[in-house]
Amino acid sequence: GAVVSQHPSRVICKSGTSVKIECRSLDFQATTMFWYRQFPKKSLMLMATSNEGSKATYEQGVEKDKFLINHASLTLSTLTVTSAHPEDSSFYICSVREGGANYGYTFGSGTRLTVV
Amino acid sequence: AQSVTQLDSQVPVFEEAPVELRCNYSSSVSVYLFWYVQYPNQGLQLLLKYLSGSTLVESINGFEAEFNKSQTSFHLRKPSVHISDTAEYFCAVRLLGGSYIPTFGRGTSLIVHP
Repeated sequence: GAVVSQHPSRVICKSGTSVKIECRSLDFQATTMFWYRQFPKKSLMLMATSNEGSKATYEQGVEKDKFLINHASLTLSTLTVTSAHPEDSSFYICSVREGGANYGYTFGSGTRLTVV
Repeated sequence: AQSVTQLDSQVPVFEEAPVELRCNYSSSVSVYLFWYVQYPNQGLQLLLKYLSGSTLVESINGFEAEFNKSQTSFHLRKPSVHISDTAEYFCAVRLLGGSYIPTFGRGTSLIVHP
């Protein structure tokens, strides 16, 4: 299956600053990537679908101006949390949809964001 | 729209005992079904999936799941668990055709005690 690299694995930032999280598909050209947010002991919440070369599709209730997504190439999507607040602290995970008959999804290792 | 229900938020079990993690789904059309495992502070890893064919699917580490269409279930089982199986397990469903975005259950925390 696809190999997905997510960086950084952990980041601590001050309130009001911005943080960029990278998601790379190492061996697969991904036209679509997904960004999830996971709260403690909760399931994954889909935040947005990242589309290569076009605007991301955000889920209802997700602020697109706060969570900026850029998918400039077939192997890289970035999520930037702007003007971070402590309530943005969470575990963020990206995912790539594998093509063909596999119908599976490969996930990055996640990024633990802590805003202080 | 489809939905996934994982009935147990936490399942404690002793090492070498059998375990079953329950998953039920709701959908008006046919679906693909998945189980993912998540270890602490890591992303999700695909454990097994049902796309078509045999209703019993197996993973390489001893887990199996059976698709039961009449009961709309896809329970995950292992006859003998190890300490290393302690993790969060997520059931997911995706519609055949239509939206390819999966819907995840809330997860079941499997805790294996020595």
